[in-house]
Amino acid sequence: AQTVTQSQPEMSVQEAETVTLSCTYDTSESDYYLFWYKQPPSRQMILVIRQEAYKQQNATENRFSVNFQKAAKSFSLKISDSQLGDAAMYFCAYRSGGADGLTFGKGTHLIIQP
Amino acid sequence: ETGVTQTPRHLVMGMTNKKSLKCEQHLGHNAMYWYKQSAKKPLELMFVYNFKEQTENNSVPSRFSPECPNSSHLFLHLHTLQPEDSALYLCASSQVQGGSEAFFGQGTRLTVV
Repeated sequence: AQTVTQSQPEMSVQEAETVTLSCTYDTSESDYYLFWYKQPPSRQMILVIRQEAYKQQNATENRFSVNFQKAAKSFSLKISDSQLGDAAMYFCAYRSGGADGLTFGKGTHLIIQP
Repeated sequence: ETGVTQTPRHLVMGMTNKKSLKCEQHLGHNAMYWYKQSAKKPLELMFVYNFKEQTENNSVPSRFSPECPNSSHLFLHLHTLQPEDSALYLCASSQVQGGSEAFFGQGTRLTVV
């Protein structure tokens, strides 16, 4: 079975600064996908960024980028120029290339200091 | 209107009650899911439906009974729940393909008294 570990229960960053959220995973599969989801107080889970395991290039979406280290099974999220609206729970998630659901980490609570 | 709609948003029920949670997606997806989100724990996948067929049941107690009448609707029938079943229940949908984004509803906050 796959597992996803987020070792940072809470992180705090000053507005406009950069923060990195950590995620490691364990799998024996070669075909899989990794995701970062954001859950603000409204409880709506929103996709932040997605990475295909077969792609070596790190995914980027505007101020959000990942550092995908496949051999180390590491998938960190970097948020640049942090904004107050980035405050939320961030979840790292894994999905097999087959038709399965997502396996989530416990989440990291991100606080943005004005 | 979001792509995935869940009703009700909040539910309080006694341990002897029977209630149902409803999820509807307007995104043309062919897979739907139920997740349980409890405090201090990762989201737990409960059920997976692909093309209306249940393909995964992660050892969920029988007091939770899913139903997927068509690819747009998903229900979670609840009966004789326990207080530890109190949680946020999230519905999601996606295409079956592994890389496709899952879209989530806003959840139902369930309290069992």
